[in-house]
Amino acid sequence: GAGVSQSPSNKVTEKGKDVELRCDPISGHTALYWYRQSLGQGLEFLIYFQGNSAPDKSGLPSDRFSAERTGGSVSTLTIQRTQQEDSAVYLCASSTSSYEQYFGPGTRLTVT
Amino acid sequence: DQQVKQNSPSLSVQEGRISILNCDYTNSMFDYFLWYKKYPAEGPTFLISISSIKDKNEDGRFTVFLNKSAKHLSLHIVPSQPGDSAVYFCAASLPSYGKLTFGQGTILTVHP
Repeated sequence: GAGVSQSPSNKVTEKGKDVELRCDPISGHTALYWYRQSLGQGLEFLIYFQGNSAPDKSGLPSDRFSAERTGGSVSTLTIQRTQQEDSAVYLCASSTSSYEQYFGPGTRLTVT
Repeated sequence: DQQVKQNSPSLSVQEGRISILNCDYTNSMFDYFLWYKKYPAEGPTFLISISSIKDKNEDGRFTVFLNKSAKHLSLHIVPSQPGDSAVYFCAASLPSYGKLTFGQGTILTVHP
């Protein structure tokens, strides 16, 4: 079946602009996660959704970052007033269990 | 505070030999551990996992060992194949909670 998909695959934006990143999880997966990987770093947790609720937003680095999930399916991660340090690969994952997560290919964000 | 650490940024192994990737953690509350494999421009792919109630889990060429007293886990790949060349991440989870805490990754190169 279809895996996790993310769009766009690449995004180049100017500093100060807003960006929206989209994640389509595997159908039926109730849990959805956003992570980011900066150059040379491991994956950093951003936010976790169970259904449409976000019980853990502790990883969002600043109030410029927000995310929502609708219909228990698609999620969007929004970064307002982007900064150069926001440049990273943003990864989305979904799961049915608490442990094994299935990742999308990621969105590479470059802020110039 | 890096709760999951992979101290070897890279590992080079000859085809057919054993690859051993190591991971240390500091939080004794972690109860589930996973290994992910990542190719360039792709999302991480789940490889193998182990519950804290076990000390070994095997799946084909891949075996994960857990030493809870030392807070250490390792992934053994035998025999190693050139197609195994990728970045390997270990990850850990708290009980009944989906957020994964990742290590920084180890780049494995298997030479023909």
